[in-house]
Amino acid sequence: QSALTQPPSASGSPGQSVIISCTGTSSDVGGYNYVSWYQQHPGKAPRLIIYEVTKRPSGVPDRFSGSKSGNTASLTVSGLQAEDEADYYCSSFAGNNDVVFGGGTKVTVL
Amino acid sequence: EVQLVESGGGLVQPGGSLRLSCAASGFTYNSLWMSWVRQAPGKGLEWVANIKPDGSEEYYLDSVKGRFTISRDNAKNSLYLQMNNLRAEDTAIYYCVRKRVSLDYWGQGTLVTVSS
Repeated sequence: QSALTQPPSASGSPGQSVIISCTGTSSDVGGYNYVSWYQQHPGKAPRLIIYEVTKRPSGVPDRFSGSKSGNTASLTVSGLQAEDEADYYCSSFAGNNDVVFGGGTKVTVL
Repeated sequence: EVQLVESGGGLVQPGGSLRLSCAASGFTYNSLWMSWVRQAPGKGLEWVANIKPDGSEEYYLDSVKGRFTISRDNAKNSLYLQMNNLRAEDTAIYYCVRKRVSLDYWGQGTLVTVSS
């Protein structure tokens, strides 16, 4: 049940793109296509924005996209907007019904 | 509309117990896995426990095994977390979460503070 590795912070100007990485192992990220991403604004509950590596729930803008290569998944936020400033967490199925999260990345819109 | 509403949080002394509840609505509760996820103040998310739709299987974070018990009452569309022998490091907001292939709906959370 080791946490996934995310950079603590990322930033970009409005309109730019930000890419957040999420590194695990072959026992979690690399072993399953069950990586999810969550957005959390201060004082609010997390919100699912990407599931099964690349899929977006209804209502999530297509500015958010996900990908995976080997043991590392990535979230790209294109065309940054002020409301994208938030904490972002990745998670992965880790076998045996475990779920592991990344430590979170704080995205700042400059 | 899917709604998950937690209750039962509060201040408890180390070694004490607390039972969290979650009232679910807006979906077919008895057909889906449910989870508890927690977030310590200023920290990241940490999965705590999962329970199968019929309640026959439960899974736990290693650090809470033997102390926490997840359960559900499908007749009441309710999820529970019984927390015993609480420690300071259990202080967190506890979220009730619907689990499909991902954790797709979250409640607003209930704060548990373990302190003397």
